[in-house]
Amino acid sequence: DAKTTQPTSMDCAEGRAANLPCNHSTISGNEYVYWYRQIHSQGPQYIIHGLKNNETNEMASLIITEDRKSSTLILPHATLRDTAVYYCIVRVATGGGADGLTFGKGTHLIIQP
Amino acid sequence: DAGITQSPRHKVTETGTPVTLRCHQTENHRYMYWYRQDPGHGLRLIHYSYGVKDTDKGEVSDGYSVSRSKTEDFLLTLESATSSQTSVYFCAIKEGRVKNEQFFGPGTRLTVL
Repeated sequence: DAKTTQPTSMDCAEGRAANLPCNHSTISGNEYVYWYRQIHSQGPQYIIHGLKNNETNEMASLIITEDRKSSTLILPHATLRDTAVYYCIVRVATGGGADGLTFGKGTHLIIQP
Repeated sequence: DAGITQSPRHKVTETGTPVTLRCHQTENHRYMYWYRQDPGHGLRLIHYSYGVKDTDKGEVSDGYSVSRSKTEDFLLTLESATSSQTSVYFCAIKEGRVKNEQFFGPGTRLTVL
């Protein structure tokens, strides 16, 4: 799996858009970008994933650069409940495979009231 | 929460004693995983299962064994607990509709004195 680089921590004001960057310069053509988050003391939660097109769901948007070497997770209207550690994971989408996910240290996003 | 429960939720034990953690799921998922999380680190895969009696090692499997005698239960055993195994243990299942989307249980906090 390609290595990812994320800032250690970020602050964002409540109600503003939170933009979380991730660098994955060694990503391969068949690797997807996945985002998970972990709220304090809970298990990680899947947010979104994408290959090369921008993606949006009810939780967030994912913007992937054209060269696919970096991406940004956008929480459009951050709330205090979005305070969490956000993990960017790059891997092949082997839906039939059984191997696990590799979590780095992620970005600790703190939403300020 | 994809019907995942873990037991016990908290446990304190002494070095050298055997410990078994249980992960139970109610939705008949094929793939199940055990991760550990230590302060300042992301989750690391210990073992995983791709069916009844089918298991394999993950990144940090030394000192751990697993068993899956029925679909709904995945057991993690520490044959002789050591202080280095003090950690939070998360179980996960893979739902399959979204490749690599895993759902995590609430975690078990294990302290080995």
